[in-house]
Formats: sequence, C-alpha cells, structure tokens
Amino acid sequence: SQTIHQWPATLVQPVGSPLSLECTVEGTSNPNLYWYRQAAGRGLQLLFYSVGIGQISSEVPQNLSASRPQDRQFILSSKKLLLSDSGFYLCAWSVLTGLKNTEAFFGQGTRLTVV
Amino acid sequence: AQKITQTQPGMFVQEKEAVTLDCTYDTSDPSYGLFWYKQPSSGEMIFLIYQGSYDQQNATEGRYSLNFQKARKSANLVISASQLGDSAMYFCAMREWDTGNQFYFGTGTSLTVIP
Repeated sequence: SQTIHQWPATLVQPVGSPLSLECTVEGTSNPNLYWYRQAAGRGLQLLFYSVGIGQISSEVPQNLSASRPQDRQFILSSKKLLLSDSGFYLCAWSVLTGLKNTEAFFGQGTRLTVV
Repeated sequence: AQKITQTQPGMFVQEKEAVTLDCTYDTSDPSYGLFWYKQPSSGEMIFLIYQGSYDQQNATEGRYSLNFQKARKSANLVISASQLGDSAMYFCAMREWDTGNQFYFGTGTSLTVIP
C-alpha cells in the first residue's frame, strides 16, 4: 500500500536560518507531489507542485524553494527563514488516472515555528 | 480570483442533527474533481468524499453526501446524524484535470458538534 512520510513533525528555527523539510512516498510511481502551507486557523495555500523529477511549479513567489531529486522525494527549502514562514506544512501526493477518484493523500505535517 | 470559496468560517450543530457546509468553486476547465477533507485538531487531512464534474449522481459515503449543483458551481457537504467526533475543520478542494493537476483548497469551515 502507499504511504507518505514527512519529517520532522515539529521544528523551531531562528529567523535567518536555513530550512529543509523532506517528504517521501512509498508504494507508487511517478506521483504528483505537493507542498502546502497552512497558517494558524487558515486554509491550505499551495506552494509548489511537481509532476516529475526535476519539474517544479511554484504557485506563490516567496523565499521558499522546492526540489524533487528522486521520483518519490520532495524537499522544501529556504536559505533564510522569515517570521512569516511559520505555519503548518503539509506534503501530499496524488496520481492522475483520468476522471476517476484521485484524491490527494497527505503526510502528517510539520509544524514550523520561526522565532 | 478564488478557486474555492467557503463562506462559513464556523458552524455549530446539535448532535444527531444534519449540517450543510457550503462550497462554491470557479473554473473554466470542463473536467474537474471536487473533494472534501476533514482536519481534526491533530492536523492530519482525512479524505471524505469525491465528486467528478461528469458524475450524474451526487456522491455519498456513509453519513457524508455531496450536494453537487454544477450550474451554480456549488458542492456542499452534508453530514447527517452529526457525532461529537465530527468536530473539526472541513476543507473543500478542487482539482482541474486539464490545467496542471493542482489541488486548490478553500479556507475551511470549523464545525463544532454540541452534545
């Protein structure tokens, strides 16, 4: 069966420090991968998505970046964190199978606090 | 423009009663899917129900049903016989098939079930 792993679960980082959040998927090939951010009490904002290795689409310009070095690995990075980067980060995957039910499956999330 | 609009930031329902959570969407893609997710306080995203744009019948999954009105571009979630465990954030989402496979989420509705 397919599983998605996201770590770490919580992270406290100082302003200006770098960030690396990793997400891996097991049990499927060539998934679409997504990074979302959820500010406290808010909805999910799509940050990046990827339809294949090395293919990254950015939805919102910011100081974050994403990379997909392997088929089932998706990394969210920042060179210098801002206070506004605090939030709950969710990785998700899905596959495209025509018009059939193709929901997104989410990781457990990373709660990032920038201090 | 917002792809997904959820106009109810918070809702209350008596236990065992039914509740409708509103969702409207905006797309010019004829092929799309609509999804509802539940997010308990733990943060995990739980998939509830799916409706495809070409589906003739409203989707149902146990106590969840989706009131799909294509002409109005609405996809309201109906929860019947509410239970205390239904208290959570609920998100409506859309996936456009032809324009990139992104999932777009609404801002969510916080549902509280009152005993």
